Amino acid sequence: DIQMTQSPSTLSASVGDRVTITCRASQSLSGWLAWYQQKPGKAPKLLIYKASSLESGVPSRFSGSGSGTEFTLTISSLQPDDFATYYCQQYNSYSTFGPGTKVDIK
Amino acid sequence: QVQLVQSGAEVKKPGASVKVSCKASGYTFTSYYMHWVRQAPGQGLEWMGIINPSGGSTSYAQKFQGRVTLTRDTSTRTVYMELSSLRSEDTAVYYCARDIDPGIDSAPHLWGQGTLVTVSS
Repeated sequence: DIQMTQSPSTLSASVGDRVTITCRASQSLSGWLAWYQQKPGKAPKLLIYKASSLESGVPSRFSGSGSGTEFTLTISSLQPDDFATYYCQQYNSYSTFGPGTKVDIK
Repeated sequence: QVQLVQSGAEVKKPGASVKVSCKASGYTFTSYYMHWVRQAPGQGLEWMGIINPSGGSTSYAQKFQGRVTLTRDTSTRTVYMELSSLRSEDTAVYYCARDIDPGIDSAPHLWGQGTLVTVSS
């Protein structure tokens, strides 16, 4: 199985900050990586797929990059609605989620 | 509209089985793979498996091999997840989620509302 790690596990930030979350895989994903946002009591929401493709309707302040085994999710200017938990997911070989990164208010 | 509607909450005893349904509407049912993902209280997301509604082929996470079965009924546009030999650690919200791209195993994009399964004696 492919193992996924995320860093940091918790991130404290302010509105307007640039935020970067890193996801690493135990083997190459050939770009088959997605990012999700989840708020308490809600289903996850797809933000990015194929490492850098923005899901329809997702604000352009969200972007994804990376290749091989290392990927990043960047929020260019954090908004009040962005305080949530973020997960990466590989779908190169079966599927695995990262452990999550909680973004909270500084 | 395009949506996935899951069956209601379940309470089961240890050792029992549970079968959760996920009814699709608003799109060509057989064109998109369907994932099942669960989330224990206060924990992260855990991928369980995937089914191709067209032919019924499945793949399961190693952790759940032998205990989970995904099936589909094309006449009712419904996918099912059955988990057997339940234990307390299986208490979680179970989600079905449809892929974003047709015909291939891709990223889950359309999610059901979730079904809480509680395992308790």
